[in-house]
Amino acid sequence: SQQGEEDPQALSIQEGENATMNCSYKTSINNLQWYRQNSGRGLVHLILIRSNEREKHSGRLRVTLDTSKKSSSLLITASRAADTASYFCATDARPNDYKLSFGAGTTVTVRA
Amino acid sequence: DGGITQSPKYLFRKEGQNVTLSCEQNLNHDAMYWYRQDPGQGLRLIYYSQIVNDFQKGDIAEGYSVSREKKESFPLTVTSAQKNPTAFYLCASSIGGRTITGELFFGEGSRLTVL
Repeated sequence: SQQGEEDPQALSIQEGENATMNCSYKTSINNLQWYRQNSGRGLVHLILIRSNEREKHSGRLRVTLDTSKKSSSLLITASRAADTASYFCATDARPNDYKLSFGAGTTVTVRA
Repeated sequence: DGGITQSPKYLFRKEGQNVTLSCEQNLNHDAMYWYRQDPGQGLRLIYYSQIVNDFQKGDIAEGYSVSREKKESFPLTVTSAQKNPTAFYLCASSIGGRTITGELFFGEGSRLTVL
């Protein structure tokens, strides 16, 4: 079963704009991760946020986590054409599952 | 360079045939995973292994089989019992060791098409 659901399913923005996507999940988690996938390629890890953290930054990425609402958001600032990809959230559910469950993803298109 | 290698990248199968997808990692990771990706459905877990000679079914294990005889290898066999095998298959690994699941490292995927 898929634990996370991303919103929106697709997003189209102009280069330089910010992109925000959200992830909701169903059960308590140990951590939440975000991944990027370029078309036809494998996934690449972007950032991991633990259940006791509320916000994390990595370069142009900002992730928030609200465990009371079981939701997370990923913000990409000053987007570039190279940010065009699908973005997935993944959760590691409690008690320890030793596996990640992925959502269906948000497809982001950055227009030059 | 350390990483995960999946082969073949493209594979065509006739109905009724079994096919095996290869996944090799040189990251010295204990845990390995197989996911299936269909358009618009994200990734679904087929099998995972936390340690050599041990593996567990994921959410969609029916019609698939795996083995974990070596730490670096986790091949996936798509059997004729899998009724709709056309998909993109992704192998991943993580440090594992029965701790909280950390970052997954993915291969480049294998695209299987049933003719």
